Parts: sequence; structure tokens; C-alpha cells
Amino acid sequence: DAKTTQPTSMDCAEGRAANLPCNHSTISGNEYVYWYRQIHSQGPQYIIHGLKNNETNEMASLIITEDRKSSTLILPHATLRDTAVYYCIVRVGGTGGFKTIFGAGTRLFVKA
Amino acid sequence: NAGVMQNPRHLVRRRGQEARLRCSPMKGHSHVYWYRQLPEEGLKFMVYLQKENIIDESGMPKERFSAEFPKEGPSILRIQQVVRGDSAAYFCASSPQDRHGYTFGSGTRLTVV
Repeated sequence: DAKTTQPTSMDCAEGRAANLPCNHSTISGNEYVYWYRQIHSQGPQYIIHGLKNNETNEMASLIITEDRKSSTLILPHATLRDTAVYYCIVRVGGTGGFKTIFGAGTRLFVKA
Repeated sequence: NAGVMQNPRHLVRRRGQEARLRCSPMKGHSHVYWYRQLPEEGLKFMVYLQKENIIDESGMPKERFSAEFPKEGPSILRIQQVVRGDSAAYFCASSPQDRHGYTFGSGTRLTVV
């Protein structure tokens, strides 16, 4: 699986958009980009995934560059409850069973 | 629609005892994954199972650790002769065959005293 690079930590003001970058310059054509987050001491939570196109769901938007070497997770209106560690993962395959390897992630602090 | 259920939430064991951690995947999910998280560290993949099969155990320590996902009942992660270094949060996740993304349980916090 391709490796990802994320900033160690980021701050965001409450109510503003949080833009979390991820570099994955060695991504292969059949690898997807996934985002998860882990709020303190809780189990991780799946957020969103994408292959080539930008994606949006009720939680976030995922913007993938045309060359697929980087992506950005956008939380449009961050709240204090969005303070968490955010993991960007690239992984072979889509549905079904594939193991997921978590890196160190980005620790996002949302401040009032 | 219950999520991934892990029990117990907290488990205290003395050194040398056995720890059994249980995970019931979401209904309809046939893939189960176990992860370990040491204090202030990241999630480490341990093992991936389907019903009655271990698919990938590359992250599982070779000694004392075993996992199963029987035809009936929950998946079990078993740690024999626990040591202080086994103290960690153990998370289980499940996924269906036809959808991306995992659903994680709330974890079992194992403390070895």
C-alpha cells in the first residue's frame, strides 16, 4: 500500500472550514483514498473515500488532485466536536475485505 | 441496527493470566479486523478474519496471541500469559462484502497489573 504524509497537527477556528491535506505521491491506479478520524479514546470513524473524483457526504468533502498525488479533506463548518486525529489512508481495492494500515494522522484542534 | 459490539469495555488481568476479548460484527458484515493501540500511539493492525478463516495475521505477535471468528458467535482475540506490555486498547472493526469503509467498535481497554 502507498504511504501518506500528513501534517502532525493543525488548528481551526470553530465555524470555519477545516482543510486537512494529505500527500500520496506513490499512489497506484487501483488504490483508493480513505479518511477516518478518532476522537479521543473512541473507536475510529470512517468519514469518506474516493478514487479519482471529488466526493461529498454529510460529514465532509474529499478533493483529489487530477494526478491523484494529493488530496484534501474538508470539514465545511468545524465544531468543537470535530477535534480528533484524522487519518488519510491509501489502500488497494474497494469493497470487501482489505486490511487498512493507519499512520500517525493529523491532530486537528478546533478552537472556540 | 446495533453497531460493532465489543466486550468487555474494560478488562483487568494479572500478569500470567489469559485475556479474552470478544467482538460481534455488525449484522451482515463478514469481515472482521483487530487493531491494538498502545497509550499515546497509533492504531496497529493485528489480524483480518472471515468466518472460520484467518486471512491476514501479519500484525499479530507470534507468541501468546491468537484470534478466531467461528461460524457461530463473536470473534475472539485471545492473549495468553499476559504481560504489562499488553496493556492497550484493542479495537475491532467489521465490514461487509459490498461496501467501502469499516465500522469500529468502542474498544476493550486491557490493563495488566
